[in-house]
Amino acid sequence: AQRVTQPEKLLSVFKGAPVELKCNYSYSGSPELFWYVQYSRQRLQLLLRHISRESIKGFTADLNKGETSFHLKKPFAQEEDSAMYYCALARGNKLVFGAGTILRVKS
Amino acid sequence: GAGVSQSPRYKVAKRGQDVALRCDPISGHVSLFWYQQALGQGPEFLTYFQNEAQLDKSGLPSDRFFAERPEGSVSTLKIQRTQQEDSAVYLCASSRLQETQYFGPGTRLLVL
Repeated sequence: AQRVTQPEKLLSVFKGAPVELKCNYSYSGSPELFWYVQYSRQRLQLLLRHISRESIKGFTADLNKGETSFHLKKPFAQEEDSAMYYCALARGNKLVFGAGTILRVKS
Repeated sequence: GAGVSQSPRYKVAKRGQDVALRCDPISGHVSLFWYQQALGQGPEFLTYFQNEAQLDKSGLPSDRFFAERPEGSVSTLKIQRTQQEDSAVYLCASSRLQETQYFGPGTRLLVL
């Protein structure tokens, strides 16, 4: 079964520190993976998708098929990065989401 | 342009009551999705429409849940005889075919 695992419910870092939000997936085919973000009092929005290989707001994510991972990274965290982050896997037309990780950036 | 809108934003229902949740997708988006998000969890897929056709309803948890999109635009998710376990945020998303899904603000349903 397709599944997305985000092992950390909460990640707390200081401003300027590196950030890595972990995501592991199980999928038998070629996965299409996404990171979605939800800022306080805002709707869920796409942060990045692996096929576009772009950097959004300084975040990057590399698909590692050997480790079945798609970790989200940023070299220097900013306070405005504090939010809930969801990793998601496309399965046909639908998205399968992980449980999410709260990122808290402290000043 | 206007994003996906949902109404009502909050709904309190007594157990056994029927509820109807509305989704207005982005104009021109042929695909429409419903997700259920329980507290502390990620969204879980309920059903998918392409225009007016309901192509996938594999995520609907029981026959008390019913969704429609009769004219290929606005969609309604109906829950009959609500139970406490139906309490959740119900998210609607729309997209162009096979493209990025854009989410609405959600409807928070509380069943007492």
